[in-house]
Amino acid sequence: AQSVAQPEDQVNVAEGNPLTVKCTYSVSGNPYLFWYVQYPNRGLQFLLKYITGDNLVKGSYGFEAEFNKSQTSFHLKKPSALVSDSALYFCAVRAVVDDMRFGAGTRLTVKP
Amino acid sequence: EAQVTQNPRYLITVTGKKLTVTCSQNMNHEYMSWYRQDPGLGLRQIYYSMNVEVTDKGDVPEGYKVSRKEKRNFPLILESPSPNQTSLYFCASSFSGGSNQPQHFGDGTRLSIL
Repeated sequence: AQSVAQPEDQVNVAEGNPLTVKCTYSVSGNPYLFWYVQYPNRGLQFLLKYITGDNLVKGSYGFEAEFNKSQTSFHLKKPSALVSDSALYFCAVRAVVDDMRFGAGTRLTVKP
Repeated sequence: EAQVTQNPRYLITVTGKKLTVTCSQNMNHEYMSWYRQDPGLGLRQIYYSMNVEVTDKGDVPEGYKVSRKEKRNFPLILESPSPNQTSLYFCASSFSGGSNQPQHFGDGTRLSIL
């Protein structure tokens, strides 16, 4: 069975500092990995995905994520955090057509 | 504008009173899905639909029904709501059920069952 773990409920960073939101996964076969962001009172918005190829994936709003097969991780990163990046972030994995699994979410707070 | 629209956004109701949450997408997507979001649990899939007249259970289907009579609409029906169905619900769609397709989400429906 597929599963996703986001080990941190909360991540706090100062504006301008780099940020990392962690995600590890468990899946049989090759995974398709996604990051979504959720702002208050809104649905999830797609940020980026890993399908195959380059392990470093670039997405919206300056975010990127690094796929590490040996560590089964897909951490979300940004070189310089903005206050407006404060939101709830979800990692998701999909290995079969009808089964996308989401992590529990990580709340990112960027302080001025 | 491409979007997934859910209605209502908020609803407070009582145990046993049937309710329907509508979901409509204007992107001609084949795949649609319903999730519930609960603190500490992330999103859990309730039902999904690969295309018109094709629906299947997700992880937590008990107490819910769906239908897919038209491509654009995918209503979620609670025949006899109970307090444990109090949650935040999201409808999502994607071009197809393919594994590499990201989903587009509605803005959510917050249900409170008293």
